[in-house]
Amino acid sequence: GQNIDQPTEMTATEGAIVQINCTYQTSGFNGLFWYQQHAGEAPTFLSYNVLDGLEEKGRFSSFLSRSKGYSYLLLKELQMKDSASYLCAVNGGDSNYQLIWGAGTKLIIKP
Amino acid sequence: ETGVTQTPRHLVMGMTNKKSLKCEQHLGHNAMYWYKQSAKKPLELMFVYNFKEQTENNSVPSRFSPECPNSSHLFLHLHTLQPEDSALYLCASSPWGGGGPQETQYFGPGTRLLVL
Repeated sequence: GQNIDQPTEMTATEGAIVQINCTYQTSGFNGLFWYQQHAGEAPTFLSYNVLDGLEEKGRFSSFLSRSKGYSYLLLKELQMKDSASYLCAVNGGDSNYQLIWGAGTKLIIKP
Repeated sequence: ETGVTQTPRHLVMGMTNKKSLKCEQHLGHNAMYWYKQSAKKPLELMFVYNFKEQTENNSVPSRFSPECPNSSHLFLHLHTLQPEDSALYLCASSPWGGGGPQETQYFGPGTRLLVL
């Protein structure tokens, strides 16, 4: 079956670094997305990985290992505004239109 | 207006009511999506429209009826809903509806629906 796993909740300290993991089992693979969703707001796109390796974008980086079915989102120099849910989604279903979504990781930043 | 807009932002309805959710995208995209988001559960894809044609219907109950009059507008008509249908309903759009980074989906703020 199709499945995305990510931790339900994580806590980190302002200024620190946090890594949010995502593992997936899908019938196919055509890329992995990370989205950020603040409470009561729309999910917003953070990153996309389709090849193995690290993609860096400012304070945020995303890593992919296709052989392991594994990705992580790395957030550096954490700020209070980074408190949000982080959603992992894989384009790998039977249809090009469908993203398979994880349930999201709620990240709590403490001063 | 920019991006993806949704109205209303909040909706309370009884089980016998009929209501409609509206989504509009100003991004020039050709694919539009309806998702259901329940607490602590993955986003559930409900419907996909590509160039106004419905391409996906993920076994959604008939009490949810989508309508896509053009590539910029998407509606979700609601009728005789159940309390378990209470959730956040998100609309999204993407350029062509295929895979790849250019197919990033852009979301609206959602409609928070409560069915009594």
